[in-house]
Amino acid sequence: DSGVTQTPKHLITATGQRVTLRCSPRSGDLSVYWYQQSLDQGLQFLIQYYNGEERAKGNILERFSAQQFPDLHSELNLSSLELGDSALYFCASSQSTGSGNTIYFGEGSWLTVV
Amino acid sequence: AQKITQTQPGMFVQEKEAVTLDCTYDTSDQSYGLFWYKQPSSGEMIFLIYQGSYDEQNATEGRYSLNFQKARKSANLVISASQLGDSAMYFCAMRGLFNKFYFGSGTKLNVKP
Repeated sequence: DSGVTQTPKHLITATGQRVTLRCSPRSGDLSVYWYQQSLDQGLQFLIQYYNGEERAKGNILERFSAQQFPDLHSELNLSSLELGDSALYFCASSQSTGSGNTIYFGEGSWLTVV
Repeated sequence: AQKITQTQPGMFVQEKEAVTLDCTYDTSDQSYGLFWYKQPSSGEMIFLIYQGSYDEQNATEGRYSLNFQKARKSANLVISASQLGDSAMYFCAMRGLFNKFYFGSGTKLNVKP
């Protein structure tokens, strides 16, 4: 158990809908990351927050947004869903942002768009 | 630009034998971290081992060791005495100065009984 909690674990929704994925980082970790893993594109970095502020942005679509709340939990909002958004979405956390900080992953949220 | 390359899409190893999973990286950062993660078929990403760019000794964690050759920009994972439970995808990753984690495309390891 990494200590990173993600909900829901599985989600099936229709195209055009909106979903919210939730993440609680490990105790004491200030930094949260979101990744998307799909079969054809591998593990893609979406966005990173540190102590409530956005720190780095990757290949995140405009239909997607995220935030980190004062209690450090984070939410990833996916809207106007398309079939291609079906993927495993990971949240990860680390203590801070130095190059030596290991990031620990949650178990992921499996999203299926039908 | 940061880049991680794993050239072995899939590998087989006999149970109880050692196996090396290759990883090369490209970075202009002086300080960086190298990581290996394991992803079993259940999907979770499990941290295995870390090597800092300034660490002179190769990292070891139980049956895992990281063969770090800085001049060649390689960070190969060695698994000793393979077990059936080692069958999984393995990802090499690098963290540079600007916080992004870069992942390789992964190597699927199959351990044969």
